[in-house]
Amino acid sequence: GAGVSQSPSNKVTEKGKDVELRCDPISGHTALYWYRQRLGQGLEFLIYFQGNSAPDKSGLPSDRFSAERTGESVSTLTIQRTQQEDSAVYLCASSTGLGLQGQYFGPGTRLTVT
Amino acid sequence: KQEVTQIPAALSVPEGENLVLNCSFTDSAIYNLQWFRQDPGKGLTSLLLIQSSQREQTSGRLNASLDKSSGRSTLYIAASQPGDSATYLCAVRWEYGNKLVFGAGTILRVKS
Repeated sequence: GAGVSQSPSNKVTEKGKDVELRCDPISGHTALYWYRQRLGQGLEFLIYFQGNSAPDKSGLPSDRFSAERTGESVSTLTIQRTQQEDSAVYLCASSTGLGLQGQYFGPGTRLTVT
Repeated sequence: KQEVTQIPAALSVPEGENLVLNCSFTDSAIYNLQWFRQDPGKGLTSLLLIQSSQREQTSGRLNASLDKSSGRSTLYIAASQPGDSATYLCAVRWEYGNKLVFGAGTILRVKS
């Protein structure tokens, strides 16, 4: 079956512009996560969705970052007024509700802010 | 604070060697621990998942062990091959949370 997919794979944007990143989780996975990986740094948790529960936004670095998810399907991560420090690979992962099989990651979106 | 540490940061070995990658974590109340592989410019590939009740998991030439009481996990790679060259990441999910906390990774290079 299909894995987690993300689009676009690469995005170059000018400082100050808004960007939207998309994630399609594995079908049937109720949990969805966003992480980011800045150059030379480890992966950082951003946000977590589980079914219809309120998302865990504790990892979002500023109010310029927001994310939505419609039901148990697609999620979009939006970064407003992008800054150069937002340049990173943004990774999406999904899992079953209990996470007993672990998290499955997509290929990521490489964002470059010029 | 929940932290994950990986040692060594980088490792270079000749082909055929057996090797061990180390992961340590604060707070033993984990839900599970997952080892991933990341190739340059690519996403993460899950290698092994160990639940908190398990002591080890095996897949092919890979074996991961877990010692919750000491806050450690090891990834053992037998008979290493050049194709094993990648960054290996250890990630922990704690009982009272849903996110994974990642170590900084071990960059492995297997020379032919």
